[in-house]
Amino acid sequence: QQQVKQSPQSLIVQKGGIPIINCAYENTAFDYFPWYQQFPGKGPALLIAIRPDVSEKKEGRFTISFNKSAKQFSLHIMDSQPGDSATYFCAASSAAGNKLTFGGGTRVLVKP
Amino acid sequence: GAVVSQHPSRVICKSGTSVKIECRSLDFQATTMFWYRQFPKKSLMLMATSNEGSKATYEQGVEKDKFLINHASLTLSTLTVTSAHPEDSSFYICSVGQGGETQYFGPGTRLLVL
Repeated sequence: QQQVKQSPQSLIVQKGGIPIINCAYENTAFDYFPWYQQFPGKGPALLIAIRPDVSEKKEGRFTISFNKSAKQFSLHIMDSQPGDSATYFCAASSAAGNKLTFGGGTRVLVKP
Repeated sequence: GAVVSQHPSRVICKSGTSVKIECRSLDFQATTMFWYRQFPKKSLMLMATSNEGSKATYEQGVEKDKFLINHASLTLSTLTVTSAHPEDSSFYICSVGQGGETQYFGPGTRLLVL
């Protein structure tokens, strides 16, 4: 019930491509879904977050799509750049408990 | 978002010694902080929730006597790894809870136990 499944584990795109990372959850109590970006040896940085009352949210080149009925959400990185090469984690939490449940992570490599 | 620091960034210690890691919220008074552990190429694993002025809440399987957490002020939480062993070598990351669910993470502390 607490698991968040993330796919793919890794992906490689060319500069300008659109990496897409998918996450699925089971716990219907989850109502907050953030995405974090982590560079090697660093702590995760909050990228963007969404709540179930909207189906899409954009911040700069990052877009979250949310499908409440399917219990799935995804991150799109538009016009990807080599500097976007990092590990991305989706997560979920509920208002009842403030703990984050993380997906397994996706290593993204953007080739020049 | 909240700015979080950790000290030290890296530490190497001998087996059997204790190591203290500090987590500071620099611009926000944090009643709740979280401690995570991350193995190479793996996801973050929540170890415990640190509550200011009260005992920490540990996740299942985390030894509270092994990983001592103190949250004595609204800006500082500490994690002490007692009697460290090589299997405790890992990347330890703290986070600050702000505005409910949002968490902001520190830069992490790399612990190597020889």
